[in-house]
Amino acid sequence: EIVLTQSPATLSLSPGERATLSCRASQSVATYLAWYQQKPGQAPRLLIYDVSNRASGIPARFSGSGSGTDFTLTISSLEPEDFAVYYCQHRLNWPPVIFGQGTRLEIK
Amino acid sequence: QVQLVESGGGVVQPGRSLRLSCAASGFTFSNFSMHWVRQAPGKGLEWLAIISYDGGHDYYADSVKGRFTVSRDNSKNTLNLLMNSLRLEDTAVYYCARDRGHWLINNDYWGQGTLVTVSS
Repeated sequence: EIVLTQSPATLSLSPGERATLSCRASQSVATYLAWYQQKPGQAPRLLIYDVSNRASGIPARFSGSGSGTDFTLTISSLEPEDFAVYYCQHRLNWPPVIFGQGTRLEIK
Repeated sequence: QVQLVESGGGVVQPGRSLRLSCAASGFTFSNFSMHWVRQAPGKGLEWLAIISYDGGHDYYADSVKGRFTVSRDNSKNTLNLLMNSLRLEDTAVYYCARDRGHWLINNDYWGQGTLVTVSS
């Protein structure tokens, strides 16, 4: 089973700043890596799939990069609504489907 | 628009059973694989199960294999999760989620979740 480790656990930034979130896989997941956003009391929302493809309706300030074992979600300029928990997920060698443990992005 | 609405959650004693349902609308339900994902209080996301678009194949996480069964009724646009032998650690919000296609795994639409509390 391929494990996903997200870092940092918590990221404190201010609106307007750039956010960089990391997801590392225990072995290669090729380009089968997705990112989700979850706000308190809400269901997760798909942001990015297959490393860099934005899901429908996702703003351009969200971008993804990486391959193999190291992946990054970048939010170019934080909006107030971006403060949430972010999860990565891979779709190689399932089942099971694996999520990372999450990164909490909080307002500084 | 795509809508997924879960129901059936509640408080149940350990060892008992519970059946969750997810009513789908706004898309051709029979074209998509479907998933169940849960989230224990204050914890991360845990994938539980997937069922193929036609209901012919299903797969489970080890934590629920042999206890939970996913099914679907494409004539009623409904996804189900039968949970047997419930444990305290099954307490969570349960989400149904649409696959991005067939076996693409990523979940592009989610329900609002239904809370299951296992308690004596």
